Amino acid sequence: IQLTQSPSSLSASVGDRVTITCRASQSISTYLNWYQQKPGKAPKLLIYAASSLQSGVPSRFSGSGSVTDFTLTISSLQPEDFATYYCQQSSSAMWTFGQGTEVEIK
Amino acid sequence: EVQVVQSGAEVKKPGESLKISCKASEYSFTNYWIGWVRQMPGKGLEWMGFIYPGDSNTRYGPSFQGQVTISADKSISTAYLQWSSLKASDTAIYYCARISRAYGPFDYWGQGTLVTVSS
Repeated sequence: IQLTQSPSSLSASVGDRVTITCRASQSISTYLNWYQQKPGKAPKLLIYAASSLQSGVPSRFSGSGSVTDFTLTISSLQPEDFATYYCQQSSSAMWTFGQGTEVEIK
Repeated sequence: EVQVVQSGAEVKKPGESLKISCKASEYSFTNYWIGWVRQMPGKGLEWMGFIYPGDSNTRYGPSFQGQVTISADKSISTAYLQWSSLKASDTAIYYCARISRAYGPFDYWGQGTLVTVSS
């Protein structure tokens, strides 16, 4: 199962609403997770099962979608949110990640 | 608190063997899958495979089948990733991470192990 994220990168300002999409090549129900990775650090789980917020993650992060189309939204971008975001599917025995979306400061 | 701690950075020559480790603590090691993820320099995340330490059931991603071996030692709550003959293209950061439940996400990640393969 291929996951395609868009855009590959974006520039945004503090306070902006940011949306990242992830499209699966076949149905994955809601077995879709989102991670944030900052330079030199391990990825961090943000959203699991498409729309469930991981404990401790700020509520400005939200996820939606099902079947093949998914969205990660940051409602009001904060300075600490500049990072790379990855979607990942866990619907089958073979897992995959999207190629990543880098969120940069405008 | 759940912890996943990986072994330190390694520098190896092509053709050498290597085994890196991932030690888990503060949870029941045999009841959760553990996965491995590769990140080549400047690139994205790639799922390599995972193991269920309870019965050593193992799955590999297509690109990694036959290239690496994933194992676990229940007695010391440690998972392993090993190579029998390293290539320069194996240079990467390797992460291990606990899988929260069947078909669930990676919820606790190790800090990563940098493997450098160079002659």
